[in-house]
Amino acid sequence: SAVISQKPSRDICQRGTSLTIQCQVDSQVTMMFWYRQQPGQSLTLIATANQGSEATYESGFVIDKFPISRPNLTFSTLTVSNMSPEDSSIYLCSVTQLGHVNTEAFFGQGTRLTVV
Amino acid sequence: QKEVEQNSGPLSVPEGAIASLNCTYSDRGSQSFFWYRQYSGKSPELIMFIYSNGDKEDGRFTAQLNKASQYVSLLIRDSQPSDSATYLCAVNRGYNKLIFGAGTRLAVHP
Repeated sequence: SAVISQKPSRDICQRGTSLTIQCQVDSQVTMMFWYRQQPGQSLTLIATANQGSEATYESGFVIDKFPISRPNLTFSTLTVSNMSPEDSSIYLCSVTQLGHVNTEAFFGQGTRLTVV
Repeated sequence: QKEVEQNSGPLSVPEGAIASLNCTYSDRGSQSFFWYRQYSGKSPELIMFIYSNGDKEDGRFTAQLNKASQYVSLLIRDSQPSDSATYLCAVNRGYNKLIFGAGTRLAVHP
């Protein structure tokens, strides 16, 4: 299975600032996704990170707030911009590995963000 | 209507009993479904996936799918305290692009 490294694992940020979260995979993957998990809630899909092109965002999420990059098949970043306390959540990246398409999505360990 | 519905619980069962977790989905065209388990502070981990009507068994776990009723369930036999976690049902939109339900908290008490 894919080994996924997310950085940072946690951070405390001031409101109005931005944080970039990195997701690095140890092998090439076909798909990469970003999820948000608000306190006590389930996972909500933010967007699909597309290699070499703009991400595809789910309803309720916009590029200005959550810009995403995916320059190659193993790396993606999610930026949380102009943060407010409501952005305090765990952010997870998920990947689809060849050989596991439609059978298992692998998750990073998550980035726990607190906005003060 | 939410795309995936789960009872948030908590569902409390005694050790050794069968825990039954249920999930309904709204998109009749959905093809495959996942059950993940999430311990507090940890990432979700896959229990099993199912895409055919009927039952699929893996050890103590059985997933059941009824596409006509748009219903997915997970049975955990011989429940153990270590099974206490949140169980997430997810619809696969394709290529493991998952839409999750709210999750059901399961508590197995000795």
